Amino acid sequence: NAGVTQTPKFQVLKTGQSMTLQCAQDMNHNSMYWYRQDPGMGLRLIYYSASEGTTDKGEVPNGYNVSRLNKREFSLRLESAAPSQTSVYFCASTRLGGGTGELFFGEGSRLTVL
Amino acid sequence: DAKTTQPPSMDCAEGRAANLPCNHSTISGNEYVYWYRQIHSQGPQYIIHGLKNNETNEMASLIITEDRKSSTLILPHATLRDTAVYYCIVRVYGSGGSNYKLTFGKGTLLTVNP
Repeated sequence: NAGVTQTPKFQVLKTGQSMTLQCAQDMNHNSMYWYRQDPGMGLRLIYYSASEGTTDKGEVPNGYNVSRLNKREFSLRLESAAPSQTSVYFCASTRLGGGTGELFFGEGSRLTVL
Repeated sequence: DAKTTQPPSMDCAEGRAANLPCNHSTISGNEYVYWYRQIHSQGPQYIIHGLKNNETNEMASLIITEDRKSSTLILPHATLRDTAVYYCIVRVYGSGGSNYKLTFGKGTLLTVNP
């Protein structure tokens, strides 16, 4: 059982380049999330998708776009990367709406923007 | 949204109980308290959750005060591998998509010493 899978695990970009972080879960969860983590900052919510076909902004959405491609997949896109977006990105999923809110996290994607 | 307050760091001796406090004084009646931990730079891992009653599982115990304004996570016999950042979060409950907006703070860095 793979759980939540993120790709790539590591990426180096130059300022202004674009890229997409991919996330897929195989637990039939309806809600998915993207967080970023900077040193000493804890986890900050970028975007979330309550269910297939919906997405909403979190605490720090500027500079990012998301797509809930289907129930399994939730991607995060950086259109024009900036050094301030150097961070570790975590994808998570959960079954809500009658569930108890337990989040399952991926292993993280480490992004460096030069 | 209910917010949580945790001490930034705590120490514990190996083999002793670790008691991690969390304040959530603005918690609403339908909101659950969840605990997660993050070891080094891995994805956070679910530990336990509760609504109003004390809970116990194979990893930890959760004590919630009667007024639900605070809780304590107890690791009964801490080991070196329990050194991690521990997050206390409250499930946001609101209309529409805000029901699914799960936010984290900076957590408590627990260091278990030999």
